[in-house]
Amino acid sequence: AQSVSQHNHHVILSEAASLELGCNYSYGGTVNLFWYVQYPGQHLQLLLKYFSGDPLVKGIKGFEAEFIKSKFSFNLRKPSVQWSDTAEYFCAVNAWAGNNRKLIWGLGTSLAVNP
Amino acid sequence: DGGITQSPKYLFRKEGQNVTLSCEQNLNHDAMYWYRQDPGQGLRLIYYSQIVNDFQKGDIAEGYSVSREKKESFPLTVTSAQKNPTAFYLCASSILPGASYGYTFGSGTRLTVV
Repeated sequence: AQSVSQHNHHVILSEAASLELGCNYSYGGTVNLFWYVQYPGQHLQLLLKYFSGDPLVKGIKGFEAEFIKSKFSFNLRKPSVQWSDTAEYFCAVNAWAGNNRKLIWGLGTSLAVNP
Repeated sequence: DGGITQSPKYLFRKEGQNVTLSCEQNLNHDAMYWYRQDPGQGLRLIYYSQIVNDFQKGDIAEGYSVSREKKESFPLTVTSAQKNPTAFYLCASSILPGASYGYTFGSGTRLTVV
């Protein structure tokens, strides 16, 4: 069965530190890849997405992610985090599940940035 | 502004009661989804609908029911058969079935059984 694995469940960083959140998926076909963010008390928002083309995609708020097909990975990065980046981050893969194509979600990574 | 409206934001239910969570979208999206979010368990799909008058069970449909009589509305009923209904419920929609372009989410309903 298709699955999405986020390796870090809880991450704590100081402001200005660099961030990399891991995401791996298990699906051999064509995929669309997404990172969503959920700030405290807010709804889930799309951070960035990959459909095709340049495997390095840039999203909002200085985030970027690189799709490495050979590694089935789509890691999220930010060179310098801010306190306002404290949130929960979810990786998702759009893949076939039975007769339907739907989003398969990772369990999320909770990021806390200390000022 | 286009978006998804979930109501109420907080809901308290007594044991044995059915409750209905509202989800309305004005995005003209075809597909709508209900997720349950629990700490450490990510998002789990309850039901989804790709078109009016049609819906499919997700991964954890037991104890829940839905209807899709109008394109813009996808209410979720949490029945008394749901053993552990206390959770955060999220409604989402996508412009096309299959979520190729990602989802738009509502702000959620937190349900607590008292």
